[in-house]
Amino acid sequence: GQQLNQSPQSMFIQEGEDVSMNCTSSSIFNTWLWYKQDPGEGPVLLIALYKAGELTSNGRLTAQFGITRKDSFLNISASIPSDVGIYFCAGQPPMIYNQGGKLIFGQGTELSVKP
Amino acid sequence: GAVVSQHPSWVICKSGTSVKIECRSLDFQATTMFWYRQFPKQSLMLMATSNEGSKATYEQGVEKDKFLINHASLTLSTLTVTSAHPEDSSFYICSASGDRGLVETQYFGPGTRLLVL
Repeated sequence: GQQLNQSPQSMFIQEGEDVSMNCTSSSIFNTWLWYKQDPGEGPVLLIALYKAGELTSNGRLTAQFGITRKDSFLNISASIPSDVGIYFCAGQPPMIYNQGGKLIFGQGTELSVKP
Repeated sequence: GAVVSQHPSWVICKSGTSVKIECRSLDFQATTMFWYRQFPKQSLMLMATSNEGSKATYEQGVEKDKFLINHASLTLSTLTVTSAHPEDSSFYICSASGDRGLVETQYFGPGTRLLVL
């Protein structure tokens, strides 16, 4: 089946630093979504990408849908302590393979920010 | 963003009892709802997909008789864990997609933590 490889698995950074994480796959996706999950909570949608090449920002967050449709990255600029959490990428395969609209999730990137 | 609620937020039950978890889309109509299970430090594992008014589609390895899913309306889906055992203890999260934004986008509930003693 389709899989997403998300990296890095964890990051320990200093407050104010920029962060970059990415997801890659050998298969194409129609949609890329980036979520953040705090402990004991459900994932919260950060950015949704619907077209290859699309670059979208949400405050200090920027994400891009790779032109090959097989990858996506998320950047966080000037990190702050509340950025701590687990970030997941999720891709939706083309509907021809995915009639139910399921998402494939990456393994997550655990971000720690030192004040 | 769209709002999805879950109830209860946590539940402790005895082994052998059944537990029902509700998932509601509060400000949009959810044509499709998804149920996930998550273990500590792991990613989300899809259990089943449900469309309003039809039977749920279960992922391989998920027992449909143990995890009963009902999606009776466009704003409510329920997951019932029947005859729960300690190994069913986990974090259960629902998501919904529908007429809020593009249908490809899933919005997640806050999760329900289940502990089976």
